[in-house]
Amino acid sequence: KAGVTQTPRYLIKTRGQQVTLSCSPISGHRSVSWYQQTPGQGLQFLFEYFSETQRNKGNFPGRFSGRQFSNSRSEMNVSTLELGDSALYLCASRPTGPDNSPLHFGNGTRLTVT
Amino acid sequence: DQQVKQNSPSLSVQEGRISILNCDYTNSMFDYFLWYKKYPAEGPTFLISISSIKDKNEDGRFTVFLNKSAKHLSLHIVPSQPGDSAVYFCHQTGANNLFFGTGTRLTVIP
Repeated sequence: KAGVTQTPRYLIKTRGQQVTLSCSPISGHRSVSWYQQTPGQGLQFLFEYFSETQRNKGNFPGRFSGRQFSNSRSEMNVSTLELGDSALYLCASRPTGPDNSPLHFGNGTRLTVT
Repeated sequence: DQQVKQNSPSLSVQEGRISILNCDYTNSMFDYFLWYKKYPAEGPTFLISISSIKDKNEDGRFTVFLNKSAKHLSLHIVPSQPGDSAVYFCHQTGANNLFFGTGTRLTVIP
């Protein structure tokens, strides 16, 4: 079974631009969540999608948005990029089932904002 | 406000000795905890979990202890191996709660 796939792996953008990151979950997984990892801040939860609906949201500004498609693939968009948005963005999926099921992570997209 | 805290950002241990990683939480409503391990340039991978109906769960060299009265859990790795060198995250879940700790970087010295 293929794992969680995130594209692209690396991205360099300029302040003010916008960016879209993509995540393909494990086949059969309907929940996709997104995280931002920066040094010293751990994994900051952005949002979770389930069956195309956002079901949970972290404390990030509205510049961060996402969506999920009918095939469970998800995209995350960041508009008006700031230098502080430079981070590793991780996506995770989990199967339909108890909320205690472990998350399966992709290898992330490294975003650098200059 | 950080609901899950890992107060030690780093830990160094000699190979063969015990590694103890700690995690504190504030919200008792969510009663299931997982530990993940993360290597550089890779996503985190699930390691071990524990439910609040237990106070200990063991899987090979890894044991997680839960102290509900202190709102504290710990991950013990015995014996530690160089391949265990990674960042470890604790995760409190339940009712769609998806909070992670800030992580502890474990270095196992050969």
